[in-house]
Amino acid sequence: AQSVSQHNHHVILSEAASLELGCNYSYGGTVNLFWYVQYPGQHLQLLLKYFSGDPLVKGIKGFEAEFIKSKFSFNLRKPSVQWSDTAEYFCAVKADRGSTLGRLYFGRGTQLTVWP
Amino acid sequence: DVKVTQSSRYLVKRTGEKVFLECVQDMDHENMFWYRQDPGLGLRLIYFSYDVKMKEKGDIPEGYSVSREKKERFSLILESASTNQTSMYLCASRDRRNEQFFGPGTRLTVL
Repeated sequence: AQSVSQHNHHVILSEAASLELGCNYSYGGTVNLFWYVQYPGQHLQLLLKYFSGDPLVKGIKGFEAEFIKSKFSFNLRKPSVQWSDTAEYFCAVKADRGSTLGRLYFGRGTQLTVWP
Repeated sequence: DVKVTQSSRYLVKRTGEKVFLECVQDMDHENMFWYRQDPGLGLRLIYFSYDVKMKEKGDIPEGYSVSREKKERFSLILESASTNQTSMYLCASRDRRNEQFFGPGTRLTVL
């Protein structure tokens, strides 16, 4: 089974600060990588995804993530956070092997709180 | 837009009751999933289905069963609800690019 680690359980920032949320996974082969976000009271929605090609992917609301294969990492970044970015963020991985029928493996989530 | 709907946003049941959670998707996706979400534990996969009448256990299937009689509908069943099944339950369906689309969730409280 795959494992996905999100290093920070809770991150607190002031508005305009830069954000980086860590995500590491255990599988060494071909992967599909995702970041999902859950705003307070809302359902999980896709922030960005990586399937292949340029390892720097851009998502909605100014977020980006970089896939570094040698480090098994897919860290999420945003240069300047806003109060509206307060949410829980989940990293997810699908591996090409040992991953039955498209199931994703999720990290435990990082709660981001942004103070105005 | 893909739409995944769940029958209830909030549900309160008593220990020992049989509980049905319903999920419907409108995009003809073959794969559907049930997760539970608990603080600090992220999303844990309970069951998934890759076609009508097909199902596979996820990581925490104990105490749950599922039903997929029609492609668009995937039901989660708690045969005899217990207090440790108090949780947020999320349904998802998956497209051919492996992106999963989530419903709004059902917050179940078992008293």
